[in-house]
Amino acid sequence: SAVISQKPSRDICQRGTSLTIQCQVDSQVTMMFWYRQQPGQSLTLIATANQGSEATYESGFVIDKFPISRPNLTFSTLTVSNMSPEDSSIYLCSVAQGISAGELFFGEGSRLTVL
Amino acid sequence: KQEVTQIPAALSVPEGENLVLNCSFTDSAIYNLQWFRQDPGKGLTSLLLIQSSQREQTSGRLNASLDKSSGRSTLYIAASQPGDSATYLCAVRLRSGGSNYKLTFGKGTLLTVNP
Repeated sequence: SAVISQKPSRDICQRGTSLTIQCQVDSQVTMMFWYRQQPGQSLTLIATANQGSEATYESGFVIDKFPISRPNLTFSTLTVSNMSPEDSSIYLCSVAQGISAGELFFGEGSRLTVL
Repeated sequence: KQEVTQIPAALSVPEGENLVLNCSFTDSAIYNLQWFRQDPGKGLTSLLLIQSSQREQTSGRLNASLDKSSGRSTLYIAASQPGDSATYLCAVRLRSGGSNYKLTFGKGTLLTVNP
């Protein structure tokens, strides 16, 4: 399986600021995704990061709040903009691999706390 | 809308015990089902992937079964060890046209194995 590295692993941020999370994969992958895990909740898909085009966002998530870049097949960034305490979550990068890209693998996550 | 439920929410067992974690889903038109492990504050580790055409998958002391018609999956852990302590998440991927890679997650079962 791919090795997925995320930076930062954790951060404490002030309300109103923005933070960019990086995701680096050790091999080229077609499908990359960003998930959010709010405290005590399960994972929710934010968007699919498309290489060379705009990300595809799930219902309830918008580009102005969560801009995503995917400049190549091994790297993506997620920015959490104009943060509020409700954005305190673990943000996880994920890639699809295997037969028909059927299995998903996750990075270690980036834990954000917004004060 | 697919919903995934995991029972129990938490489980505490003595070391060496065999145990079963349950996962149910409402829409049986799934492409596959994946079991993950999540350690506190960390990302997800893929444990087992079951395709919709399969009945079970095994890896070491882990065995996952799938009954698509009844919308259920179980994760069996044999001879549990303290190192198995973690949250176990079940996730399903719907079978749909195109390239839908969205996983719907349950809230997880928090497993504690006591020495």
